[in-house]
Amino acid sequence: QITLKESGPTLVKPTQTLTLTCTFSGFSLSTSGVGVGWIRQPPGKALEWLALIYWNDDKRYSPSLKSRLTITKDTSKNQVVLTMTNMDPVDTATYYCAHRPQGALFDPWGQGTLVTVSS
Amino acid sequence: EIVMTQSPATLSVSPGERATLSCRASQSVSSNLAWYQQKPGQAPRLLIYGASTRATGIPARFSGSGSGTEFTLTISSLQSEDFAVYYCQQYNNWPTFGQGTKLEIK
Repeated sequence: QITLKESGPTLVKPTQTLTLTCTFSGFSLSTSGVGVGWIRQPPGKALEWLALIYWNDDKRYSPSLKSRLTITKDTSKNQVVLTMTNMDPVDTATYYCAHRPQGALFDPWGQGTLVTVSS
Repeated sequence: EIVMTQSPATLSVSPGERATLSCRASQSVSSNLAWYQQKPGQAPRLLIYGASTRATGIPARFSGSGSGTEFTLTISSLQSEDFAVYYCQQYNNWPTFGQGTKLEIK
């Protein structure tokens, strides 16, 4: 059974850097073909893909946020870390991590973590 | 960026009836199209991928069709647990999602 769980701060101030950790079980990020993605959802709004990291350390970023995002993995700890710089109130959202079984599908997802950006 | 447009924004259907949800891509995504279901306070759940393949454990009342730019999700006989928000997502290019269709009880 694959499970994922996001962790990190619930409140950040504008201009700060957000660091989120996805801790997973049931699969290994050293297995060929496997990936983990990050997706966010502002309150009451639609989903937005942020980043994806593959078993071979290949990384993909949303073009609109690429300059602010960094995704890394720690295979030994079964963790993926997303950092987003220069946070703004419009970045307030629930942030999800998800297992990527193929292509850029996401299945399953973690429960999500709400991050509020406010001074 | 490939823009995904879903219609309608809200769909009111009675339990037991059929629901048809639409998704249009701004350019061809071949069959690289997925559907997700999201209930309040929950993470999205993958229903359909490859435009028409049900994910593991998804009931047969859910079906997907289409290719290129026009896609449809059909729920043949709505159950109470099916009332939720549904998102389409293309993965032909970097992934983008539609704005969602809220399926509500009529």
